Amino acid sequence: LAKTTQPISMDSYEGQEVNITCSHNNIATNDYITWYQQFPSQGPRFIIQGYKTKVTNEVASLFIPADRKSSTLSLPRVSLSDTAVYYCLVGEGAMRFGAGTRLTVKP
Amino acid sequence: KAGVTQTPRYLIKTRGQQVTLSCSPISGHRSVSWYQQTPGQGLQFLFEYFSETQRNKGNFPGRFSGRQFSNSRSEMNVSTLELGDSALYLCASSLETGVPDTQYFGPGTRLTVL
Repeated sequence: LAKTTQPISMDSYEGQEVNITCSHNNIATNDYITWYQQFPSQGPRFIIQGYKTKVTNEVASLFIPADRKSSTLSLPRVSLSDTAVYYCLVGEGAMRFGAGTRLTVKP
Repeated sequence: KAGVTQTPRYLIKTRGQQVTLSCSPISGHRSVSWYQQTPGQGLQFLFEYFSETQRNKGNFPGRFSGRQFSNSRSEMNVSTLELGDSALYLCASSLETGVPDTQYFGPGTRLTVL
């Protein structure tokens, strides 16, 4: 499973766009990139998944450059309810979550 | 379709006891994974089961064990409980279609060891 590196924490304000970048230098050819969101005392929830270029859904966008050694989760116009921990995972099989990025959205 | 369910939701035990936690995956899902989450260690992978076979195992002592039944339901057992076993135990299921899969997590079981 490819090792991932992402910031430990980030702060933002309501209405701003938030970009969280994840580095995964040893991503394998067949690996997909998946992001999860976790609120306190709940299980992680799938947000978005991609292989290359850009993926967008009703919640977020995922930008993946051509070399796929990093990816950026973009949350448009965040609200207080987006305060959570965001995890970046690469590959499949046994899932190992890192520490994630703790996003705090302030009013 | 019902989500992943875990029982019980809360549990209080004392040191030295054992505990069994249960997980019912989403209907049709064949893979079940277990995680332990503590404030200090974050979300740590325990083990993964697929078609009643343990496919992957994390770095936990032998006191932690699990199994999966033919209907994909899974149980995990922790024997000789220690204070450090206090945690949120999460179960996740996935479809295993051969394409990149998504894990769906249950609400967790909050275990407190006194």
